[in-house]
Amino acid sequence: SAVISQKPSRDICQRGTSLTIQCQVDSQVTMMFWYRQQPGQSLTLIATANQGSEATYESGFVIDKFPISRPNLTFSTLTVSNMSPEDSSIYLCSATPNSGNTIYFGEGSWLTVV
Amino acid sequence: DAKTTQPTSMDCAEGRAANLPCNHSTISGNEYVYWYRQIHSQGPQYIIHGLKNNETNEMASLIITEDRKSSTLILPHATLRDTAVYYCIVRVLHNAGNMLTFGGGTRLMVKP
Repeated sequence: SAVISQKPSRDICQRGTSLTIQCQVDSQVTMMFWYRQQPGQSLTLIATANQGSEATYESGFVIDKFPISRPNLTFSTLTVSNMSPEDSSIYLCSATPNSGNTIYFGEGSWLTVV
Repeated sequence: DAKTTQPTSMDCAEGRAANLPCNHSTISGNEYVYWYRQIHSQGPQYIIHGLKNNETNEMASLIITEDRKSSTLILPHATLRDTAVYYCIVRVLHNAGNMLTFGGGTRLMVKP
């Protein structure tokens, strides 16, 4: 398995600002993903974080709004840019360890935009 | 990846077995069935997965029908802490690169 830590766990943000969420995994992983979960909804994939190259975004998500970095095999960041109240969600980091194919999740980062 | 169909919600008495069904009638031969659960305010937790044989671990059992068009997750002795949303997902395994596509899940309420 993999232990995935996210920071911050919770934050209240002002409209128009940007926030960067960090994701740290305790072991080397092959794949890292970022999901969004809006209030009362299921999880939606934002993008796949690729090590050393640009992230692969899903339909409806763009790099200008959600820039992602993955400088090495255990760390990734997601920035939510120019936030509006509609961005209030849980943002979840997930990863697949080198040793297997199961995807594990962090505890999520709860963002409230006011 | 194939889509899945789950009941929106279910109740279960504490101490009894919780049987959560999932239909995946368009599943392909190389797609696995995965189960995750999400307890309120937490990230999804991996439970179990299987291809065609029944599987059991310390958390649950997974029963997959012979035609693989449906499956059932069994929590043998449900506790209040098992109250959560349970997601059934089918996924191809290749290079570990396939992400998970979440549907609506089943909201299981375990009652005293």
